[in-house]
Amino acid sequence: DTAVSQTPKYLVTQMGNDKSIKCEQNLGHDTMYWYKQDSKKFLKIMFSYNNKELIINETVPNRFSPKSPDKAHLNLHINSLELGDSAVYFCASSRYSYEQYFGPGTRLTVT
Amino acid sequence: SQQGEEDPQALSIQEGENATMNCSYKTSINNLQWYRQNSGRGLVHLILIRSNEREKHSGRLRVTLDTSKKSSSLLITASRAADTASYFCATDAKDTGRRALTFGSGTRLQVQP
Repeated sequence: DTAVSQTPKYLVTQMGNDKSIKCEQNLGHDTMYWYKQDSKKFLKIMFSYNNKELIINETVPNRFSPKSPDKAHLNLHINSLELGDSAVYFCASSRYSYEQYFGPGTRLTVT
Repeated sequence: SQQGEEDPQALSIQEGENATMNCSYKTSINNLQWYRQNSGRGLVHLILIRSNEREKHSGRLRVTLDTSKKSSSLLITASRAADTASYFCATDAKDTGRRALTFGSGTRLQVQP
């Protein structure tokens, strides 16, 4: 069974559109994260949720809005997509600050 | 800002050789972790070393931590072609309550068969 899953795996869309990426974990973890990995493979934290509460919101444009309907899900909605949003987005989960389990990633391409 | 910086950025070795990657960080930590990322895939956790530990082993992996120098190293012994991947160190900063890791820039390891 997949521990952390994300959908879709690939997302190609035009500038100005609104899109969502979904993430689910079945590990019973209390904390979930969204990371952005750029073309140089640099991985940067965007958001972190603990028990459905937002605890980290890095300097991310407010066009990005995370939503956690329950502890097992953390979705990422992006409004008015820009070319610079093209990247691979990873969802992850963990228990406390221990090892994180990553999803397979969503490759977003904005044209 | 980047917490972890890795060295070298890229490493190419022959199968059977050992590979050593280094990581430096800036703040006090609770633990330091190493992850592997195969091309086009998510990151996979390899090993976690706590701030009060100096060395840890897991199979062919050996991790050291020097908190006085704020540095860590990952040694992969008897490397295999399947070890080809990018390796990232990640730190859990102390006393921030952030519950998030800060990742280094990664080392790309190529193991030639």
